[in-house]
Order: sequence, then C-alpha cells, then structure tokens
Amino acid sequence: DAKTTQPTSMDCAEGRAANLPCNHSTISGNEYVYWYRQIHSQGPQYIIHGLKNNETNEMASLIITEDRKSSTLILPHATLRDTAVYYCIVRVRETGTASKLTFGTGTRLQVTL
Amino acid sequence: DAGVTQSPTHLIKTRGQQVTLRCSPKSGHDTVSWYQQALGQGPQFIFQYYEEEERQRGNFPDRFSGHQFPNYSSELNVNALLLGDSALYLCASSPNRGRAPLHFGNGTRLTVT
Repeated sequence: DAKTTQPTSMDCAEGRAANLPCNHSTISGNEYVYWYRQIHSQGPQYIIHGLKNNETNEMASLIITEDRKSSTLILPHATLRDTAVYYCIVRVRETGTASKLTFGTGTRLQVTL
Repeated sequence: DAGVTQSPTHLIKTRGQQVTLRCSPKSGHDTVSWYQQALGQGPQFIFQYYEEEERQRGNFPDRFSGHQFPNYSSELNVNALLLGDSALYLCASSPNRGRAPLHFGNGTRLTVT
C-alpha cells in the first residue's frame, strides 16, 4: 500500500470548515483513498473513500487531485464532536488484501469554541 | 442493529499468561480482522479471517493466533504474554469478503503486568 503523509495536528473553530490534507504521491492506479477517524477511547470510524472522482456523503467531502497524488477531507461545519484523529489510508480494494489497512499516525484535529 | 461488539472491554494479565479476546461482527458481515493499537500509535493489522480461515497476516509472531466460527464471530488468542503486548485490541468486520469499508468495535484494553 502507498504511504501517506499528513500533518500531525490541526485546529479548527466550531462552525467553520475543516480541511484535512493528505499526500499520497506513490499511489497506484488501482488504489483507493480512504478516510477514517478515531475519537478518544473508541474504535476507528469509516468516513468516506474514493478512487479519482470527488465524493460527498452525510459526513464529509473528499477532494482528490487530478493526478491523484493528494487529497483533502472536508468537514463542512465542524463541531466539538469532530475532535478526533483522522487517518488517510490508501489501499487496493480487492478480496484477500482488502481488510489490511495501513494506518499512519494521522492528523489530530482539535475543534474549539 | 448492533455494530461490532468486543469482550471484555478491559483485561489485566500477568506476563507469561495467555489471553482470549472475543468479537461479534456486525450483522451481515462475513469478514473479521484484528488490529493492535499501542498508546499514541495508529492501529497495526494482525490478521484477517473469512470462511473460518486466516487469509492474511501482518507482522506478528505465532504467539498471536485466531479463530473464526461458523456464525462469523472470532477470537484472538495471545500466548506467553509480554509487557509489550499491552495495547488496545480492535476487531473490525466487513461484508463481501472485506471489499467494503471496515466497521470497528471499541476494542479490548489489555494490560500486561
């Protein structure tokens, strides 16, 4: 799986958009970009994933650059409950290897009043 | 619909002992994987099970073993516990042989003294 690079920490004011960047310059054509987050004392929670098109769901939006070497997770209106460690992961989506997620150290997002 | 459930939530063992952790996957999920998360680190993949067989394994010694039952539930066994085995052990499940995003439980906190 391709290696990802994320900032160690970020701050965001409540109600504002949180934009979390991720670099994955060695991503392969068949690798997807996944985002998970982990709130303190809980297991990781799936947020969103994509291959090359931008994606949006009820939690967030994922913007992937045209060359696929980087992406940005956007939380449109951050709340205090969004304070968590956010992990950007790239992986091949196929049977046999699909469950293996390679977590880095992630970005610790602190949402403040 | 219950999500992924793990038991026990906390456990204290002595060095050299053996431990068994249990996981019930989310309803409809056939694939279970286990992760170890040391304090301040991202989760590390241990192994994955579907159809009652270990399908993929991370860089963990043979002291770590597992089992999946016909009802898709799973156990993680660790023999000859070391102090360094102290960690949060996370179980994740997914449908369709692991091709869909993983759903994680909240983990078992194991402390080895």
